[in-house]
Amino acid sequence: EVQLLESGGGLVQPGGSLRLSCAASGFTFSNYAMSWVRQAPGKGLEWVSSISGTGGSTYYADSAKGRFTISRDNSKNILYLQRSGLRVEDTAVYYCAKEAAAAADYYMDVWGKGTTVIVSS
Amino acid sequence: DIQMTQSPSSLSASVGDRVTITCRASQGISNYLAWYQQKPGKVPNLLIYAASTLQSGVPSRFSGSGSGTDFTLTISSLQPEDVATYYCQKYNSVPLTFGPGTKVEIK
Repeated sequence: EVQLLESGGGLVQPGGSLRLSCAASGFTFSNYAMSWVRQAPGKGLEWVSSISGTGGSTYYADSAKGRFTISRDNSKNILYLQRSGLRVEDTAVYYCAKEAAAAADYYMDVWGKGTTVIVSS
Repeated sequence: DIQMTQSPSSLSASVGDRVTITCRASQGISNYLAWYQQKPGKVPNLLIYAASTLQSGVPSRFSGSGSGTDFTLTISSLQPEDVATYYCQKYNSVPLTFGPGTKVEIK
């Protein structure tokens, strides 16, 4: 069974940093691109970042550029999102999602349960 | 960047009704369009990709159509378990923009 399990969420002060992790199982991790999608309280889905299967290509939403870094460890089947300079508006549930292809510009066919990040003083 | 819009933003229909949701892209995206269903308090779930291909396990009452800039998601006979917010997403290129969502309720 394909599974994605996020961790690393929590309460952080504005300007702080946090690293999210997503442990993948049930599929050949390196064969698929992965994405982070977030959802602020009561709001819609917002794509944050994607990374190709090899990790050689990364893409970011304008809201994440310069503050977030996506990476992956294909030897451990783990996806990461390193976030710095956190703002109150970064408060959201962060979902890890598997894309349906190796290139990082595809639809998402499997989603994790999400991890909640609250940015507040 | 290409913008995605959806209409209506919400709707209320009776069980058994035919429901149609529209998604529009500000520029042509061929058929690189996916639809997701998010039930209250749950994780998003892929319904349709390539504008009209039903994901495995999705009930056949869901269907999608369209190409270019205009797309539709149709529920042929609305069921109580279809109460959810539905999002379209373009994936012809990054950014992988989602539409704002359409909330579907039972009348």
